[in-house]
Amino acid sequence: GQNIDQPTEMTATEGAIVQINCTYQTSGFNGLFWYQQHAGEAPTFLSYNVLDGLEEKGRFSSFLSRSKGYSYLLLKELQMKDSASYLCAVKVTGGGNKLTFGTGTQLKVEL
Amino acid sequence: GAGVSQSPRYKVAKRGQDVALRCDPISGHVSLFWYQQALGQGPEFLTYFQNEAQLDKSGLPSDRFFAERPEGSVSTLKIQRTQQEDSAVYLCASRPGGGANEQYFGPGTRLTVT
Repeated sequence: GQNIDQPTEMTATEGAIVQINCTYQTSGFNGLFWYQQHAGEAPTFLSYNVLDGLEEKGRFSSFLSRSKGYSYLLLKELQMKDSASYLCAVKVTGGGNKLTFGTGTQLKVEL
Repeated sequence: GAGVSQSPRYKVAKRGQDVALRCDPISGHVSLFWYQQALGQGPEFLTYFQNEAQLDKSGLPSDRFFAERPEGSVSTLKIQRTQQEDSAVYLCASRPGGGANEQYFGPGTRLTVT
């Protein structure tokens, strides 16, 4: 099976930078996703990593190390609207395209 | 264009009732997924369709859960004889064909079983 760990909650200050970590143990890793989910809303896609390294997209960046089973999501220039749950999910070979999600990290951005 | 839509958005059912949850995927999307999300948890996979074929139903928690996508577009998740533990948000996601990886999620149906 798959095991995905991420912190339950984090708090950060508006304008600052925050890093949300995700570690995973899977058989047949085939990609890692980050989704953002505001309360009561649909998860929205942020990033996809399948190769080692950093992917940058505006204020959001995502990093992957396959050998360490580790990823992080980096949010820069935090805004109040970034307060949400951030979900780490992995896809495995032979699993079709279904995603296995972590429990999510609830980020609170404060003034 | 229009995103994934789900109906109803909220459903209250008495224990033992049957419910049907509908998902309208993005037009032309080949793959469709159902997930169950309990409060404070991440979504958990239930089942997956490629066009009208149900390729994986390993996540369905019991034989009370049934999903179909008869014409390869709209899908319905049916839960028979609902139990309190079925209370959750049911999310639908769709994905284009080819090499696309991203799944596009709908807003979910919040089911409360009383």
